[in-house]
Amino acid sequence: DTGVSQNPRHKITKRGQNVTFRCDPISEHNRLYWYRQTLGQGPEFLTYFQNEAQLEKSRLLSDRFSAERPKGSFSTLEIQRTEQGDSAMYLCASSLEGDFYEQYFGPGTRLTVT
Amino acid sequence: AQSVTQLGSHVSVSEGALVLLRCNYSSSVPPYLFWYVQYPNQGLQLLLKYTTGATLVKGINGFEAEFKKSETSFHLTKPSAHMSDAAEYFCAVSAYFTMDSNYQLIWGAGTKLIIKP
Repeated sequence: DTGVSQNPRHKITKRGQNVTFRCDPISEHNRLYWYRQTLGQGPEFLTYFQNEAQLEKSRLLSDRFSAERPKGSFSTLEIQRTEQGDSAMYLCASSLEGDFYEQYFGPGTRLTVT
Repeated sequence: AQSVTQLGSHVSVSEGALVLLRCNYSSSVPPYLFWYVQYPNQGLQLLLKYTTGATLVKGINGFEAEFKKSETSFHLTKPSAHMSDAAEYFCAVSAYFTMDSNYQLIWGAGTKLIIKP
């Protein structure tokens, strides 16, 4: 394992459908983050985990969004009843514990809601 | 609250010319500062970071940045641009305390670097 992986890389779905994305972090990293990025913007923080505990969740995160990291390894991000405004790149990153440790990013999952 | 401003959504330089990408931040506590690069269809990659100590930090691919507390700036430079530097660059600040949480990376909107042959 040499990096963070995300699946799928692309997802096209119809409005109202549920989607789930997976992130596999670097194995020794205990922190895992989810971000959303739209065109022309920097990443927007969604939530992060330390091991299996979800420690922070953005106030901007709708109740339709839920994330899990059941065994402190991989994580899933689910969006229920997708809306066109959910179309974005969803990024996952992992790091060692601490504010100044580098976050390693995956390639992202591009979601298109039609 | 912390914030990051990157001046210029697009910067165009000639190959071989100096690259200067500007980043200003606001933070009520000593910040950690980062520059990330994003190549097309790839994930974000750390270029360099400032935590403590020397204010001039060197990163990968010949880039460096200087933390200037008095100017609340962390501009990214490279003496001579290469075609391979064409990418989008993001500045980010991390502080232990924010209004909303005790840890968060705050990102700038990004600057797309265009290299002219």
